Amino acid sequence: DTGVSQDPRHKITKRGQNVTFRCDPISEHNRLYWYRQTLGQGPEFLTYFQNEAQLEKSRLLSDRFSAERPKGSFSTLEIQRTEQGDSAMYLCASSSRGQGTEAFFGQGTRLTVV
Amino acid sequence: AQSVAQPEDQVNVAEGNPLTVKCTYSVSGNPYLFWYVQYPNRGLQFLLKYITGDNLVKGSYGFEAEFNKSQTSFHLKKPSALVSDSALYFCAVRDHLNDYKLSFGAGTTVTVRA
Repeated sequence: DTGVSQDPRHKITKRGQNVTFRCDPISEHNRLYWYRQTLGQGPEFLTYFQNEAQLEKSRLLSDRFSAERPKGSFSTLEIQRTEQGDSAMYLCASSSRGQGTEAFFGQGTRLTVV
Repeated sequence: AQSVAQPEDQVNVAEGNPLTVKCTYSVSGNPYLFWYVQYPNRGLQFLLKYITGDNLVKGSYGFEAEFNKSQTSFHLKKPSALVSDSALYFCAVRDHLNDYKLSFGAGTTVTVRA
C-alpha cells in the first residue's frame, strides 16, 4: 500500500499520560500535515512540515503538543499530559509541493482520554 | 481568513436521483477548492478539485462540481446517486497565498435509499 499510513489506529489512555502517534507519508511527498477532527466537525489544521522543517503551527496546538519530522520522512505527534478534551481523531496527510496539489489523508488515529 | 460553509447537515435522496451537496466559501484571494468523502472509521478520500480554468470539474466515482465565483460556491453533484454514495462529504478551501492550509466545512451526511 503506497498511501499515507498512521499508527496506532486507536489509542485509549488515562488522563495525564503522554501519547505519541506516527505518520508515514507517501514517499515522494515533501509536505506533511496534521489535522484534528472531533465528532460532527470537519478536520482542523494543526501543523505542517515541508521536508523536515515545521513551517506553521495552529493556535490549536498548545504547548503540550509537539510534532517532529526527522529527516523529512515519517512524522510523530506527541501529546503530553493528556486531557479529556484531547479526545479526537488525529489525521495525517501528505502532498507534493505545488499550488493546488491535493492532500492525501491517512485513516487517522482515534484517541480516547479516560 | 478562509472558511467554508456547508449549509445542510444531511441530504437524503433516492437511488437513481440526482445528488447535490452545497458548499460556499470565503477567501481573501483566489481559491483552491476541494471535495473529500469520508466513510465510517476511514480517512478522507479525495474526490475532485478546482484550481483554475473550466468551472465544471469532473472527479472520481461520477462526481462533478461547479465553481461559481460570483456566488462563491462549489456545489458537488452526481447525476444518478448510488446507495454506495452514502457517506460524509467535506468541502475544503485553500487560499493560493497560503497554499498549505486546508479549511474544511462541517460536513454533510449523504444518505441514498434504495
